Amino acid sequence: DGGITQSPKYLFRKEGQNVTLSCEQNLNHDAMYWYRQDPGQGLRLIYYSQIVNDFQKGDIAEGYSVSREKKESFPLTVTSAQKNPTAFYLCASSILPTNTGELFFGEGSRLTVL
Amino acid sequence: GQQLNQSPQSMFIQEGEDVSMNCTSSSIFNTWLWYKQDPGEGPVLLIALYKAGELTSNGRLTAQFGITRKDSFLNISASIPSDVGIYFCAGSLLTGAGSYQLTFGKGTKLSVIP
Repeated sequence: DGGITQSPKYLFRKEGQNVTLSCEQNLNHDAMYWYRQDPGQGLRLIYYSQIVNDFQKGDIAEGYSVSREKKESFPLTVTSAQKNPTAFYLCASSILPTNTGELFFGEGSRLTVL
Repeated sequence: GQQLNQSPQSMFIQEGEDVSMNCTSSSIFNTWLWYKQDPGEGPVLLIALYKAGELTSNGRLTAQFGITRKDSFLNISASIPSDVGIYFCAGSLLTGAGSYQLTFGKGTKLSVIP
């Protein structure tokens, strides 16, 4: 079945360490996104990519990096520069061209910094 | 940036009761969307609304795109325990070059008492 797979589901990291979250989709979608979710804060956009080898910063990109070497994959690295990295991270994809905002989400990765 | 005011933030209801939640904005949107997030999972699209005044149903769910394009509501009739979760509204605005900007509300957390 088509869908978006995020891994790992849970991740623990020590302060000062970088960590990479995986996101893979087999929906043949052009666009992919990373959101951060904190309790009571809704979803905030970190980075998005509309095409391979191109990506754009979202509202809270500081301390994060991404790559889009393949259409199916959009990994997110949480660097040691991110001051409050503990959060629930959601990857999503959508068909382009579109102006509707219909996103397909993965199941999320919960990162805890010890 | 644009902001959505989603209310209520949380609600506790008895099984069988109807539920109503809404989103308002000071800006207009081209599309309104409603997502549901089960605990520990990614959001899933419930309903998308594309025209001002549009009223759409999906089973026990009914949503409307406000005439002013600045608001939307979601109703759930005869609630059941599996309705528990966080409901997010989202507004989509078409920008230049055919891309769109998606803004999420902070969510309404619904608890159903059996």
